[in-house]
Amino acid sequence: GAVVSQHPSRVICKSGTSVKIECRSLDFQATTMFWYRQFPKQSLMLMATSNEGSKATYEQGVEKDKFLINHASLTLSTLTVTSAHPEDSSFYICSARLGLVLDEQFFGPGTRLTVL
Amino acid sequence: QKEVEQDPGPLSVPEGAIVSLNCTYSNSAFQYFMWYRQYSRKGPELLMYTYSSGNKEDGRFTAQVDKSSKYISLFIRDSQPSDSATYLCAMSETNAGKSTFGDGTTLTVKP
Repeated sequence: GAVVSQHPSRVICKSGTSVKIECRSLDFQATTMFWYRQFPKQSLMLMATSNEGSKATYEQGVEKDKFLINHASLTLSTLTVTSAHPEDSSFYICSARLGLVLDEQFFGPGTRLTVL
Repeated sequence: QKEVEQDPGPLSVPEGAIVSLNCTYSNSAFQYFMWYRQYSRKGPELLMYTYSSGNKEDGRFTAQVDKSSKYISLFIRDSQPSDSATYLCAMSETNAGKSTFGDGTTLTVKP
């Protein structure tokens, strides 16, 4: 299957700093990438959908200025958590869609963010 | 009420058992149905993908969709300890739309 990588896998930062998370599709070009947030023992909460070369579409309740998404190429999307606070601590997962007939999403391994 | 409901479990079965995982949904526009497996602290992995009603089999896994009842199932035959994970159902209205996920069912298969 298609491979999606995320970097870093784990990050600990101080409150008020910004953190950038990268999502890469390694062996395919992704027309669309998604960013999710997952709390312990809960499901995936879609934060935003991003298409290469255009602005991301954010879900209701997700702050655009806090969670900056850049989809610079067909293989790379970044999520920057700006001025992070402890309540931003979570598991962030990206996924990429091939854009073929079926809506298959391939997920990255996730990034564990801890804000002190 | 959530659009997708999934029994959170946890579900514990002995090795070799048949496992049944289920989701119900309220949005009749859903046409695409997926099952993902997620190991602890990892991203979800796509297991099964079905379109509309019917059955789909892949090895020990069988996915069933009953659109009339708004009910989907994933069956695991001859369950193995390596099947221990959280299973997420997901569904979408179109083949290019966003997916709505269930909360996941945690499964433990005991040797």
